[in-house]
Amino acid sequence: AQSVSQHNHHVILSEAASLELGCNYSYGGTVNLFWYVQYPGQHLQLLLKYFSGDPLVKGIKGFEAEFIKSKFSFNLRKPSVQWSDTAEYFCAVMQYGNNRLAFGKGNQVVVIP
Amino acid sequence: EAGVTQFPSHSVIEKGQTVTLRCDPISGHDNLYWYRRVMGKEIKFLLHFVKESKQDESGMPNNRFLAERTGGTYSTLKVQPAELEDSGVYFCASSLRTAPYYEQYFGPGTRLTVT
Repeated sequence: AQSVSQHNHHVILSEAASLELGCNYSYGGTVNLFWYVQYPGQHLQLLLKYFSGDPLVKGIKGFEAEFIKSKFSFNLRKPSVQWSDTAEYFCAVMQYGNNRLAFGKGNQVVVIP
Repeated sequence: EAGVTQFPSHSVIEKGQTVTLRCDPISGHDNLYWYRRVMGKEIKFLLHFVKESKQDESGMPNNRFLAERTGGTYSTLKVQPAELEDSGVYFCASSLRTAPYYEQYFGPGTRLTVT
């Protein structure tokens, strides 16, 4: 079945630590890839996206993600996290030709000051 | 510019009752989507409107769910009769019809609890 996988659903780390969240998908064909973030008490908001071109994409707040087509992966990274990065992070896939977002289960990230 | 708004923010109803959720998209966004997150699961697509037309309703779980978007503005999602498994957070999102149509803006969600 087609799916989006996110592992390590709960991540706890200290400020200044590096963060990497994995995302793998099983959809074939051309896909568009997204990371969304939901800060406590706030809406889901787009962190970054990949459509084409440079597989290393940069988003807001110092986040970046790398698309590796051969591995069907789109991992999210941030070299040095801050307390304000405490949030839930969702990877999402949109197959070319439709507007549906397929989400992973999310990663709950807690950054300890 | 106002974002996507949803009403109510929380709803607690008994099994068998009816609930109607409302979503107001960003002005000018022809695309409107409904998603649902059941506790412990991923956010799942329910359906997609383009203006007042249902473009894709492949994610609607069953015929107890009815979505409408009269006039192509706000949308309602009615659950009748509600079952325990309908509990979850219902998100609405909207996007432009033209580029970047893929950027979906989400509302705060409606938390539905069926007891």
